[in-house]
Order: sequence, then structure tokens, then C-alpha cells
Amino acid sequence: ETGVTQSPTHLIKTRGQQVTLRCSSQSGHNTVSWYQQALGQGPQFIFQYYREEENGRGNFPPRFSGLQFPNYSSELNVNALELDDSALYLCASSGGTSYNEQFFGPGTRLTVL
Amino acid sequence: GENVEQHPSTLSVQEGDSAVIKCTYSDSASNYFPWYKQELGKGPQLIIDIRSNVGEKKDQRIAVTLNKTAKHFSLHITETQPEDSAVYFCAASKANFGNEKLTFGTGTRLTIIP
Repeated sequence: ETGVTQSPTHLIKTRGQQVTLRCSSQSGHNTVSWYQQALGQGPQFIFQYYREEENGRGNFPPRFSGLQFPNYSSELNVNALELDDSALYLCASSGGTSYNEQFFGPGTRLTVL
Repeated sequence: GENVEQHPSTLSVQEGDSAVIKCTYSDSASNYFPWYKQELGKGPQLIIDIRSNVGEKKDQRIAVTLNKTAKHFSLHITETQPEDSAVYFCAASKANFGNEKLTFGTGTRLTIIP
């Protein structure tokens, strides 16, 4: 069974740029959730995708957008990057027999300069 | 929306002793409460969870208790070992037909003193 993977592991961007982060869900899972974790804080829910449709969104502006593909992998896109977007971005996959359990990937560390 | 508070923010325990981390939640409709362990440079790892129809759950040295009336739940780690040192997060969600969003606490940094 393959776990949740994310790419890239680290990324440095400048303010105003755009970034795309990628996530491959665990085998058998059809749901991907994205979270933002600022330094020293708990993860904050950005949005969730279920069978390629957005299925809930947290308190994040529209410049945070996402996609889910037929193989259930997912992308998080952030436009017009701001300094406060610097954080660890985590994706979690769930579904199938794991019911409510969400399993996290290692995250992508984004630094905005 | 849901609000989860977690205490303490830091906890130091002698190896072999027990550690307890407590969380409270605000939304009485929340019914799923997982605990995650996050080591430096890694994503959160699910270590145990409990659903609202259960008051206590145990898995080897780890146990979780839930008091729905008081809206609080706790993580208990017995016979602590150096490898238990990490940041622990509690979370809550209203998980019914699907996988609802998790609302996390602010974390507890647990240090096991050899």
C-alpha cells in the first residue's frame, strides 16, 4: 500500500508569483483535503476534493484553488503569493474502508520572499 | 464554527512516567476526534481516534477518553519512551456521511526526559 506523497518538498517563491503543489492520495482513497500549517500552529483546513469536485472550503481567499484528477491525485494552486502564505502545506487522503480517517503526506514547505 | 482548545502547550515528562494532554471543543455536533503525532520535518501521523458513541479507547500504551457532556477529550500515554517526544495535535470533526474537515488544536510539544 502506497502512502500519501507530496511534491515538491521545498519551494521558494517571491511575492506576487503563483505556485502549484501536488499530492498523490493513498491507494483506495477518493478524497483529498488540503491544510495550511503555519510555524508553531495546528493545520488549518483549506478545502477538500471528493471525486473531482470541491467538497467544502475553509476560510481562505479565492486565490487558493485546487483540482482533483480521475486518479484522485490533487493540486493546490495559490496565485498572487503573499508573505503570509509561507507555511507547510499538507494534503491528507481519506475514503474507502478508512471511513473518516485522514492520512497526511509529508508536506511541502513554501517560503515566500 | 468549531473551536478546539488544547492544553498544555508544552509538557516535559520523565521517561517511564505518564503524559496527559487535554482538549475541549465547542460544537456539540462534532462526533469524531483523532489525535496526531508530528515529528520534526514530517506530516502529522494518526495515532488514535475516537467516535462519539464511545467513551474510551485504548491501543497499547495510548488511550483516549471522551466526555461528550463536558465537550472534552484527552490523550493518555503511559510508560513514556524517548521516541514519544514530538508535537501532538488533537482534532475534531462532524464526520457523518463523508470525510468532513478537521479542526485542530494548537498542539502540545511533549519532551521525554531520559
